Amino acid sequence: GENVEQHPSTLSVQEGDSAVIKCTYSDSASNYFPWYKQELGKRPQLIIDIRSNVGEKKDQRIAVTLNKTAKHFSLHITETQPEDSAVYFCAAGGFQKLVFGTGTRLLVSP
Amino acid sequence: SAVISQKPSRDICQRGTSLTIQCQVDSQVTMMFWYRQQPGQSLTLIATANQGSEATYESGFVIDKFPISRPNLTFSTLTVSNMSPEDSSIYLCSVEKGTSDEQFFGPGTRLTVL
Repeated sequence: GENVEQHPSTLSVQEGDSAVIKCTYSDSASNYFPWYKQELGKRPQLIIDIRSNVGEKKDQRIAVTLNKTAKHFSLHITETQPEDSAVYFCAAGGFQKLVFGTGTRLLVSP
Repeated sequence: SAVISQKPSRDICQRGTSLTIQCQVDSQVTMMFWYRQQPGQSLTLIATANQGSEATYESGFVIDKFPISRPNLTFSTLTVSNMSPEDSSIYLCSVEKGTSDEQFFGPGTRLTVL
């Protein structure tokens, strides 16, 4: 089955810096790669996703890149703000099933 | 997306008892899923709730422990049976509309077993 690894487990940045979170997956059949943001005590929120026929996708300050050959994908957040502080989860799958990474705790200091 | 609600939002239960968690969506959805999120951990899929038929369970999860119902396209229940402290966790339902692969989560049910 699918296995998703996520790094780093924690990431501390200064406000205004960029943050990058990386994930690798094992199943070449996976074709859908979402990213979720989970604030403390809240539900995971879908923030961006990418499909296997696309290499990069942007939405304002966030972007996701996918390298199918290497089986890895990354989340990029530019101009970080304190409200970006949360736990971020990547996931891989499709065909009505997702496998989640272990999560990255992002802390943005003012 | 869809408006998803869960009941109860939290509960404290005694060892050996069972708790049924409800998930309600404001519109019909094709897929409903149940996840477990242990404290400080990631999300683990328990099962896919199939409308009108038995749920599809992931490795490590069995129907006797986590019976699931899905009587229609907007509602599902997950029962945590014969609970032990190891079942203390957040249980989340998620839904997928159409065939988009996009999953949206309910607010979760925080379960503590004493």
